[in-house]
Amino acid sequence: EAGVTQFPSHSVIEKGQTVTLRCDPISGHDNLYWYRRVMGKEIKFLLHFVKESKQDESGMPNNRFLAERTGGTYSTLKVQPAELEDSGVYFCASSQDWGLYTGELFFGEGSRLTVL
Amino acid sequence: GENVEQHPSTLSVQEGDSAVIKCTYSDSASNYFPWYKQELGKRPQLIIDIRSNVGEKKDQRIAVTLNKTAKHFSLHITETQPEDSAVYFCAASKGSASKIIFGSGTRLSIRP
Repeated sequence: EAGVTQFPSHSVIEKGQTVTLRCDPISGHDNLYWYRRVMGKEIKFLLHFVKESKQDESGMPNNRFLAERTGGTYSTLKVQPAELEDSGVYFCASSQDWGLYTGELFFGEGSRLTVL
Repeated sequence: GENVEQHPSTLSVQEGDSAVIKCTYSDSASNYFPWYKQELGKRPQLIIDIRSNVGEKKDQRIAVTLNKTAKHFSLHITETQPEDSAVYFCAASKGSASKIIFGSGTRLSIRP
């Protein structure tokens, strides 16, 4: 079974440009999350989809970030325009809940974004 | 909102000794507490988790304890080995359809 895949693995852009990150979750997983890890610090929550709906986007830093999940399958995270502080590793994860409990998160390998 | 604090940020132990990492959470409604290990350049992976209806869970050299009253949980690694060197993250969730919030991570180094 294929795991969570992310593309690109690394992107280098200049301040003011646009970048779109893509995540393909494990087939059948309703939950899809985006996280960001900056400078080796915490894994910071950005947002959570349940199928195609945004369940929680309280972690999105500002309106320069836009996430979509087409038909409840893959997801994209667009940063427009990019700023220096957006640099970091963006992780996508998917899961399937079990009854009352959150299911195990399966992470992708991350997309490293460098904004110059 | 939910907040998870993790200590220490770095930990160095002699090979064969035990390592303990501690976390506290703020939301008493949290009911699921996973631990993830991230090796250098790799993706985070689940190593053990515990649900709020139990106080302790063990898997070979790894154990997790949960104190719901104090709202804290801990990871215990015994007989540490070089391959245990990694960054460890605790996390908490309020259940189905809820986000999972992570602690700030602990970089564990095993000295030969």
